[in-house]
This record gives sequence, structure tokens and C-alpha cells, in this order.
Amino acid sequence: QSVLTQPPSVSAAPGQKVTISCSGSSSNIGNNYVSWYQHLPGTAPTLVIHDNDKRPSGISDRFSGSRSGTSATLGITGLQTGDEADYYCGTWDSSLSAAVFGGGTQLTVL
Amino acid sequence: EVQLVQSGAEVKKPGESLKISCKTSGYSFNDFWIGWVRQMPGKGLEWMGIIYPDDSDTRYSPSFQGQVTISADKSITTAYLQWSSLKASDTAIYYCARPSLVRGEVRNFDYWGQGTLVTVSS
Repeated sequence: QSVLTQPPSVSAAPGQKVTISCSGSSSNIGNNYVSWYQHLPGTAPTLVIHDNDKRPSGISDRFSGSRSGTSATLGITGLQTGDEADYYCGTWDSSLSAAVFGGGTQLTVL
Repeated sequence: EVQLVQSGAEVKKPGESLKISCKTSGYSFNDFWIGWVRQMPGKGLEWMGIIYPDDSDTRYSPSFQGQVTISADKSITTAYLQWSSLKASDTAIYYCARPSLVRGEVRNFDYWGQGTLVTVSS
């Protein structure tokens, strides 16, 4: 059971927008920065959002992030088939003194 | 270009020892933390621990303290994860990843290796 809660799956059509939620508590998301990772099985995960809403160099501006209270959201606009992957949120948990992740959300672009 | 290249898949028996590696390049190895993340079959990511190669300061997730050993060899810019006695429950994909820390807390992981599949079965 992951410390952060994500929906197991989301789906949307090409060109549409999708959001993926990540729910936590005051010991993690509520007081620490959130990051998001794109992971295609068999490959290295990629950081797509850090510090709640910042994109690393080279990441498309179709990806966005936000945080409100003890929840965070990843948004992807203009969906492409290449966006199909598992997406994980992550942050630091001050009570556990550990980095924690969500259980992952599988994105399907129909 | 920052690269983290991990050693190949391993098949081991319960009770055996194992050491997997993560060869880094493209950045100053001594100046950045490096760590390990586990993904059990069909499950999410779990942070295991990190090491600062310059002084070997090592920090473990409470869930993995005493279960594994993280080390680094500065001379060959390589990090390691090792087990002294594997269990079937250690079957997983293990990723090395470079974290950024602020005030001793992991902020994010900006580069990742491709993963090493470890299978433990009798």
C-alpha cells in the first residue's frame, strides 16, 4: 500500500486533456515539494515535473503540475499515443523520513 | 550527457548474495547523491536509500535499513546495491537514480538507470 494515492488508470482520446491526481497528507504533500515521473515499462523513468509545477529542460509544455493542500495533480494536454505510460507522483514524507511515491497511474490514449 | 547504466538481470537462489551496479557518467560523481528504488512485480516505486560518494554518507529508508547495503566506488563512478542473503521477496526491478536533496530531504530524482531485474527463486 503506497503512502500516496493515485487512480490505477486514466484514459482519454488523442488530442484531449487528462489529469492524474495524487493524494497524501500534511506530512508529505502538504509540506513538501511534489515531483512526477513518466515510466514506460522496461525503460528508465523520466522526471516530467519537479517542485510541484516546474518542467525540467526538454519536457514538453503539454505537461503541467499543481499542488493544493495535501493533493497534487499532473495535467497532460494534446494527448499523443507516445504519452501512454505509467505516471508516478513522489515527495518527501517528514514523518517517515523517507522519499515516498504513489502507486502509479496507467495512462491509455484511446 | 548524464547517464546511469545498470548491470544486467540476475537469477539467484534464496540465501545467495548479490551485488548489482550502476555506472554513472556525464557529471561529477562525487558531488551528487545517488540512490536506489525498488519496483516489485505489478507494484509501485519504493525508495530504498541514497549515498553521497564523496564521504560515503549513506541514508536508508526505514523499510530497507539492515536489509541491503548501498556503497559507491569513486574511482570508477559506480554505485552498488548488495544483499548478503536473498529472499524470494527480493524479486523486483531495481533502479538507480540521482536525487536532489534540500536540507537532507529528497526533493526529486532527476536521472534514472534502466533498471536491473533480480529474480530470486529456488
